[in-house]
Amino acid sequence: QVQLVESGGGVVQPGRSLRLSCAASGFSFSSYAMYWARHVPGKGLEWVAVISFDGINKYYPDSVKGRFTISKDNSRNTLYLEMNSLKPDDTAVYYCARESPPKFWDYWGQGTLVTVSS
Amino acid sequence: EIVMTQSPATLSVSPGEGATLSCRASQSVSSNLAWYQQKPGQAPRLLIYGASTRATGIPARFSGSGSGTEFTLTISSLQSEDFAVYYCQQYNHWWTFGQGTKVEIK
Repeated sequence: QVQLVESGGGVVQPGRSLRLSCAASGFSFSSYAMYWARHVPGKGLEWVAVISFDGINKYYPDSVKGRFTISKDNSRNTLYLEMNSLKPDDTAVYYCARESPPKFWDYWGQGTLVTVSS
Repeated sequence: EIVMTQSPATLSVSPGEGATLSCRASQSVSSNLAWYQQKPGQAPRLLIYGASTRATGIPARFSGSGSGTEFTLTISSLQSEDFAVYYCQQYNHWWTFGQGTKVEIK
């Protein structure tokens, strides 16, 4: 069955970097676009990044553009999110998700908590 | 950005009763709307896509309707496992989510 397992969360100081991973199994990872989203405590869900199936096309909302980078290693069935210049507002549970055409998300991981605090 | 507004924030329902959850978009999203269920500590679960199509394995007591800017998720007879938070998501222009409706036991 489809499984997505995030890792790499933790406590980090403002201005520092962190890399999240999402290990995928149970499907042909190289055939799917993938997403990162986050859930800020007390607020809603926010889309953070999307990458095309082949890793070529990447898009971000303005809130993270220039600071976050999404990538996928199809040989390792793993999705990544490199987060730089972290701010306290980036504190959230981060989820990876798989795209089902035409662009909704059919499977999500359980999330990994990122806390940005001094 | 398309803003998604869900109502009510909390819905108190007795097991066996029905529940109606609403989601409104700030501009038309056609039928490009999905509903998700999330329980504490678990991954969100896709319930409905295309505003009204149930995802694989989703019980028939869940139904979605609407198009344009007004959408509804109906749970016909709540089971114990249905008490959770429900989110709507538009995927017509990028992706945005509602704030969620918590369905709690009355």
